[in-house]
Amino acid sequence: SQTIHQWPATLVQPVGSPLSLECTVEGTSNPNLYWYRQAAGRGLQLLFYSVGIGQISSEVPQNLSASRPQDRQFILSSKKLLLSDSGFYLCAWSVQDTEAFFGQGTRLTVV
Amino acid sequence: GQNIDQPTEMTATEGAIVQINCTYQTSGFNGLFWYQQHAGEAPTFLSYNVLDGLEEKGRFSSFLSRSKGYSYLLLKELQMKDSASYLCASLGGGADGLTFGKGTHLIIQP
Repeated sequence: SQTIHQWPATLVQPVGSPLSLECTVEGTSNPNLYWYRQAAGRGLQLLFYSVGIGQISSEVPQNLSASRPQDRQFILSSKKLLLSDSGFYLCAWSVQDTEAFFGQGTRLTVV
Repeated sequence: GQNIDQPTEMTATEGAIVQINCTYQTSGFNGLFWYQQHAGEAPTFLSYNVLDGLEEKGRFSSFLSRSKGYSYLLLKELQMKDSASYLCASLGGGADGLTFGKGTHLIIQP
């Protein structure tokens, strides 16, 4: 069966520090991969979408970046965090035009 | 691009029925999804519609009209545990990915 791993579950980082969140999927090949952010009391904002290795679509201009070094690995990064980067970050995967399955999320607090 | 609208909040009574509406505007369309999200947790998949009509799954049903850009989620025999946010999401064409609405916070009262 397919599983998705996302870590860490919670993270507190100072303003200006770097960020690296990792997401891996098991049990499937060539998945579509997503990074979403959910600010407190708000909806899910699509940040990045990938249909294959090295193929990243960015939905919103920001100080975040994403990379997909392997088929089932998706990394969200920042060189310098801002206070406004605080939120609940969710990784998700899907196969072709089917439902997306979410990881457990990372709650990031920038202080 | 994609634009999805759904009500911010709804209140219903335990044991009753509630319908949550969603309208969408997309440059391409490959399906409409509904997710449930409890506070502090990741969303979980509820339903998927790609053709017009009603899909029934236990207490939950979802309807789609592609010509109207409209969907609804119908919840029957409401239980207190159904208190959650319900997210409508549209799968666009090409590189658009899966785009979510802001979610409808459903409050169930005894």
